Amino acid sequence: GIQVEQSPPDLILQEGANSTLRCNFSDSVNNLQWFHQNPWGQLINLFYIPSGTKQNGRLSATTVATERYSLLYISSSQTTDSGVYFCAVNSGNTPLVFGKGTRLSVIA
Amino acid sequence: GAGVSQSPSNKVTEKGKDVELRCDPISGHTALYWYRQSLGQGLEFLIYFQGNSAPDKSGLPSDRFSAERTGGSVSTLTIQRTQQEDSAVYLCASSLPGQTYTFGSGTRLTVV
Repeated sequence: GIQVEQSPPDLILQEGANSTLRCNFSDSVNNLQWFHQNPWGQLINLFYIPSGTKQNGRLSATTVATERYSLLYISSSQTTDSGVYFCAVNSGNTPLVFGKGTRLSVIA
Repeated sequence: GAGVSQSPSNKVTEKGKDVELRCDPISGHTALYWYRQSLGQGLEFLIYFQGNSAPDKSGLPSDRFSAERTGGSVSTLTIQRTQQEDSAVYLCASSLPGQTYTFGSGTRLTVV
């Protein structure tokens, strides 16, 4: 099955700093999503981005499907950005396969 | 409702007992998924329902686990003869085919 690798596994940022999270995947996909899991465990969809670039406020994402990677950019980080960021992919009509996540801590 | 609803939010059970976890998906979402998340880990796929098709049970870890979806809506995940290694957060999500997933808040299961 598809393998998903995320890096870095852990990241500590000073409030206001920028960061880039990476997701590599092992096969062609037709669906890629980024999720944020807050410290209370709720998973929120950030982007549905099988290819191209999208932006939503301080967050943006780029997926280069031909090279099998996606990047999530967080600018001017805030303490509320803390949590775990998951990348998930699938192909065809199969369930999403999740990476192990990047745990982000933003300190004031 | 507006979101995916899961109940109970927390469940403590004794080893060997059976438990039932409920998921009420977003109205109109034909796809429903169950995942499991152990402490500090990623999400492990369990089972997937799509419309009237036979469910994809490939992620169920043992025959103690089963799930059903009645009327294409509410789903129940049943774990028989619970073991301590079943302790985890069980997450349900729903979607339209090929679209974004919406997750519920999960059920935290603790087997003592």
